[in-house]
Amino acid sequence: AQSVTQLGSHVSVSEGALVLLRCNYSSSVPPYLFWYVQYPNQGLQLLLKYTTGATLVKGINGFEAEFKKSETSFHLTKPSAHMSDAAEYFCAVRPTGGGNKLTFGTGTQLKVEL
Amino acid sequence: EAGVAQSPRYKIIEKRQSVAFWCNPISGHATLYWYQQILGQGPKLLIQFQNNGVVDDSQLPKDRFSAERLKGVDSTLKIQPAKLEDSAVYLCASSLLTSGSSTDTQYFGPGTRLTVL
Repeated sequence: AQSVTQLGSHVSVSEGALVLLRCNYSSSVPPYLFWYVQYPNQGLQLLLKYTTGATLVKGINGFEAEFKKSETSFHLTKPSAHMSDAAEYFCAVRPTGGGNKLTFGTGTQLKVEL
Repeated sequence: EAGVAQSPRYKIIEKRQSVAFWCNPISGHATLYWYQQILGQGPKLLIQFQNNGVVDDSQLPKDRFSAERLKGVDSTLKIQPAKLEDSAVYLCASSLLTSGSSTDTQYFGPGTRLTVL
């Protein structure tokens, strides 16, 4: 069975500072990897995903993530935080061998301070 | 392109009452999902439909939850009777393809926040 661990349920950064949200997965075979963002009272929006190819993936709103197989990680970064980035971020995995089922982590709430 | 629509957005009921949620997926999307998101947790898949057939309902509490997707388009999720622990946000999502293609993406609706008193 696949699982996802997000380290840190709450992360606080200053506006303009680097954002780093951590995600590690557990799977016998490297899965497809996703980051979703959820703003208050809204559904989840896809930020980026890794399927195959280049391990550094760029997404929307200046976010990027790097798939590191040796570390079973898919950490999300953004060089400079903006107030509008305050939201909850979810890492998710999906098996590559067929099926669409997403397994989500418990989420990281990002707070951006002036 | 219209997104995934859900209604109602909020619902408050007392335990042992019944409740139903409605979802209209993106036009043309073959696969529809219902997730339960309890406060402080990530979404958990309850049921997945491909067209109007059930693909995965392994985590659906079938003694009280039921779902249907008539004509392979809209879907309803029902809870009868509700328990306190059913308080959560119920998210509907849809995706275009029926297979687990790497290009397939799930698009989420805004959710229905259920409070059971």
